[in-house]
Amino acid sequence: DAKTTQPTSMDCAEGRAANLPCNHSTISGNEYVYWYRQIHSQGPQYIIHGLKNNETNEMASLIITEDRKSSTLILPHATLRDTAVYYCIALYFGNEKLTFGTGTRLTIIP
Amino acid sequence: DTGVSQDPRHKITKRGQNVTFRCDPISEHNRLYWYRQTLGQGPEFLTYFQNEAQLEKSRLLSDRFSAERPKGSFSTLEIQRTEQGDSAMYLCASSLATSGGIQYFGAGTRLSVL
Repeated sequence: DAKTTQPTSMDCAEGRAANLPCNHSTISGNEYVYWYRQIHSQGPQYIIHGLKNNETNEMASLIITEDRKSSTLILPHATLRDTAVYYCIALYFGNEKLTFGTGTRLTIIP
Repeated sequence: DTGVSQDPRHKITKRGQNVTFRCDPISEHNRLYWYRQTLGQGPEFLTYFQNEAQLEKSRLLSDRFSAERPKGSFSTLEIQRTEQGDSAMYLCASSLATSGGIQYFGAGTRLSVL
């Protein structure tokens, strides 16, 4: 699976959109981009995934660049409960091993 | 659906003792995973099962570690002769075989080896 690179930490004001970037420049054509988050003292939680097209669900939006070398997770209206470590993972469909890295620590500021 | 359940939530043990953790997956999920997470790091894959078959083990899983899923439902992870380096959060996750990379995690068991 391709290596991903994320900023170590970010702050975002409550109520604003939080945009979390991820670089995956060596991603192959059939590797998906998955996002998980881990709130303090909890296990990781699946957020969203995509291959080529932008995706949206009730939690977030995922924007993948046309060359697929980077992506952005968007939390449209961040709340204090969105404070967590966010992990971007490149994964072949059918590969069972999630490789988490160190993620981005997002802090939502009141 | 009560989610993935792990027991105990916390375990303190002395070096050299054996410990066992239990994971109860979401009931219809046929895949079950174990991960380990140390402070400041993301979770690292240890092993996974499809039903009762253990299909893959990480090199992180030394011979002091053994995992079982005897009836394809709950799983246990045993660590023999614990060492201080085993101190970590042990996370269990489950999924359907068709769900790709979507895994549902429990809250973990935090192990402290004194």
